[in-house]
Amino acid sequence: GAGVSQSPSNKVTEKGKDVELRCDPISGHTALYWYRQSLGQGLEFLIYFQGNSAPDKSGLPSDRFSAERTGGSVSTLTIQRTQQEDSAVYLCASSQGQTTGELFFGEGSRLTVL
Amino acid sequence: RKEVEQDPGPFNVPEGATVAFNCTYSNSASQSFFWYRQDCRKEPKLLMSVYSSGNEDGRFTAQLNRASQYISLLIRDSKLSDSATYLCVVNMGNFNKFYFGSGTKLNVKP
Repeated sequence: GAGVSQSPSNKVTEKGKDVELRCDPISGHTALYWYRQSLGQGLEFLIYFQGNSAPDKSGLPSDRFSAERTGGSVSTLTIQRTQQEDSAVYLCASSQGQTTGELFFGEGSRLTVL
Repeated sequence: RKEVEQDPGPFNVPEGATVAFNCTYSNSASQSFFWYRQDCRKEPKLLMSVYSSGNEDGRFTAQLNRASQYISLLIRDSKLSDSATYLCVVNMGNFNKFYFGSGTKLNVKP
């Protein structure tokens, strides 16, 4: 499809396991963002990629979280040694990279850590 | 202090009512402003950008008050389909700094 694609849509894992969440942005969009949304809460910025520049990792909550973007397209968010407080919806968004540009979100990956 | 603050609501209004939401932002260097809509268990989608002179899109009117650092959204003639959470979003002028409010929930009742 033409929109932002995320997988898996739902992930249930046990505490201590590692998880990988994938985001396929809209073709041609140079900017890619990861956000986290806990139940009933707003969006929490995690990390941002813009072209070939170094990513802005200032929102990552701990060193258990990492993300990469290969070839300026697909991105993977990895959470190591998951904790129950990591349970949330992880949303990926892409944009054309302009300040006034619209963010296009994927449907999110719902992570539940038991 | 949060970068963007909103009244969480919920606002419960009858069909046809006019409802207004406000949002305040803390950083006077903020440059771009938006309202996003998020339906239950769905992703946020852009509703409208907010321009300095104010702007209207059908039943929706957005206003920006830079001096007081707040943004408003007015919805006229509310429809059942307007029921959603409305997110106030502020950008600091850098690509990576989109700050989202926690959202204001609107329930439009028949």
